[in-house]
Amino acid sequence: SQQGEEDPQALSIQEGENATMNCSYKTSINNLQWYRQNSGRGLVHLILIRSNEREKHSGRLRVTLDTSKKSSSLLITASRAADTASYFCATVFDNYGQNFVFGPGTRLSVLP
Amino acid sequence: NAGVTQTPKFRVLKTGQSMTLLCAQDMNHEYMYWYRQDPGMGLRLIHYSVGEGTTAKGEVPDGYNVSRLKKQNFLLGLESAAPSQTSVYFCASSAVSWYYEQYFGPGTRLTVT
Repeated sequence: SQQGEEDPQALSIQEGENATMNCSYKTSINNLQWYRQNSGRGLVHLILIRSNEREKHSGRLRVTLDTSKKSSSLLITASRAADTASYFCATVFDNYGQNFVFGPGTRLSVLP
Repeated sequence: NAGVTQTPKFRVLKTGQSMTLLCAQDMNHEYMYWYRQDPGMGLRLIHYSVGEGTTAKGEVPDGYNVSRLKKQNFLLGLESAAPSQTSVYFCASSAVSWYYEQYFGPGTRLTVT
């Protein structure tokens, strides 16, 4: 399977702490995207990192990409209770046909 | 802008019944997608469209049909519902191609009894 796999499956931290989740994939990608899903809602795009980029920032989010290890990480700094959600990585390949695959997600709980 | 909207939000069907889920987007996006999400799993692509009048199969197309008669609308049909189709269905769209971010609707929770 070309699917991205997030790690850990679940993460529980205290407010103010940093949260790190990882995504691994198996084949070369065009880009990798991170999405957030609050309970009972649709997914919201957070950040896109291209295969020739190594790091991107957006507010309290930092995403890194290591194409040699076929992995990415999402860091949320100074977490808040409102960050409680599931986080998904989506890997985009240079294929014909379907080339956009979501991983199973990391469920983050930020405790007040 | 409303973004991506889905109707209905909830539906209960009996086995063998049929129904159509409607997705609409007002962003003039070319690509549209239908996903299903089951507990503890990521999203799996059912069908997608790369423009008006086109459709293509995704990862799990069996038991579903789609149509894209107008650029802004993408319909998902269940011909004969089965309990295995109990799921949350999400529609999404993206501007030009797979390489860009997708915008998601709020989802339709479908239960087949």
